Amino acid sequence: DQQVKQNSPSLSVQEGRISILNCDYTNSMFDYFLWYKKYPAEGPTFLISISSIKDKNEDGRFTVFLNKSAKHLSLHIVPSQPGDSAVYFCAASARSGAGSYQLTFGKGTKLSVIP
Amino acid sequence: DSGVTQTPKHLITATGQRVTLRCSPRSGDLSVYWYQQSLDQGLQFLIQYYNGEERAKGNILERFSAQQFPDLHSELNLSSLELGDSALYFCASSVGLAGEQYFGPGTRLTVT
Repeated sequence: DQQVKQNSPSLSVQEGRISILNCDYTNSMFDYFLWYKKYPAEGPTFLISISSIKDKNEDGRFTVFLNKSAKHLSLHIVPSQPGDSAVYFCAASARSGAGSYQLTFGKGTKLSVIP
Repeated sequence: DSGVTQTPKHLITATGQRVTLRCSPRSGDLSVYWYQQSLDQGLQFLIQYYNGEERAKGNILERFSAQQFPDLHSELNLSSLELGDSALYFCASSVGLAGEQYFGPGTRLTVT
């Protein structure tokens, strides 16, 4: 049972326009959410995060929105650039045993930004 | 460059064999995490160590084991390898028990 779902395997956007990547989760114990970007042959790179006590977090061209009632978060990239073309993973964190927090990842959305 | 290093980059081995993957965390990070990414799958959490102690376990097979050494580097041991163990194995590290994790470049394991 997937607790973190990214229902769009791929997304194509024109350069300069907005990219919106979506993520849904089912576990109400998740209290911290992260987005990672991954280029081929590299490890995932941390992009931006949001705590469950907030509904928005912004960092430059990247903004993450959290709708707790809908158990939905989204990543907005404005304006999109060709270098943003990568696979984006949504991840959610919940406290596990011994005080640590385990990340659960979605399967990723491949973003292609067309020049 | 995340500061997390993993060796080797590629590994090809036969079924039934045993391999060891190595990870060095970022300087100052005490937590190390291991993930498996199979074809068309997301990252599956395997296990976490914090300052030498096991802290959390995910869907890690009994054939797999890990440890974190006093210098904080970690090793993931995979034994009695099967074809289905072919995957990318990522190591990540974080300062504490929670928060952002920083990933290494991964080790691609191919079992033939």
